[in-house]
Amino acid sequence: AQSVTQPDIHITVSEGASLELRCNYSYGATPYLFWYVQSPGQGLQLLLKYFSGDTLVQGIKGFEAEFKRSQSSFNLRKPSVHWSDAAEYFCAVGGKKAAGNKLTFGGGTRVLVKP
Amino acid sequence: NAGVTQTPKFQVLKTGQSMTLQCAQDMNHEYMSWYRQDPGMGLRLIHYSVGAGITDQGEVPNGYNVSRSTTEDFPLRLLSAAPSQTSVYFCASSYSGLAGLGELFFGEGSRLTVL
Repeated sequence: AQSVTQPDIHITVSEGASLELRCNYSYGATPYLFWYVQSPGQGLQLLLKYFSGDTLVQGIKGFEAEFKRSQSSFNLRKPSVHWSDAAEYFCAVGGKKAAGNKLTFGGGTRVLVKP
Repeated sequence: NAGVTQTPKFQVLKTGQSMTLQCAQDMNHEYMSWYRQDPGMGLRLIHYSVGAGITDQGEVPNGYNVSRSTTEDFPLRLLSAAPSQTSVYFCASSYSGLAGLGELFFGEGSRLTVL
């Protein structure tokens, strides 16, 4: 069965500092990996995705993520955090349509940004 | 663009009552799904549909029914509400070919409380 673990429930970071959110996954085949962001009271928005190829992927809002197959990880990073980055972030793993259209989410990491 | 629209945004029910959460999308997406979000558990898939007339169960289908009579609409029915169904519910849609790849578009959520 596929699963996602986000070890950090909350992270507090100062504005302008760097941010890294951890994601570990379990998947029986080649995974498709995603990061979504949820602002308070809103739905989820796709930040970036990894399907294949270059293991460092760029997303919106200045975020990037690196796929490390040997570590089953897909960590999200941002070099300099802005106050508007305060939100909850979800890592997700899925596969091809033949795998059943199931996208499994991690428990989320809530990011607080200090002035 | 309206995107994915959910109604109502808030609802309070008593145990045993029934209700329907509405979801409509105007993007001509074949794939639609319902998730519930609970603290620390991420999003869990309830039911999904790959086209009009086709539905299937996700991870946590018990206590919920769905139908898909049109491409645009995918209502979620609670036949006899229980306190364990207190949650935030999200509807999400995607082009069918991409559904297994996780590029979902989310509604803003419906917060349900069952007393």
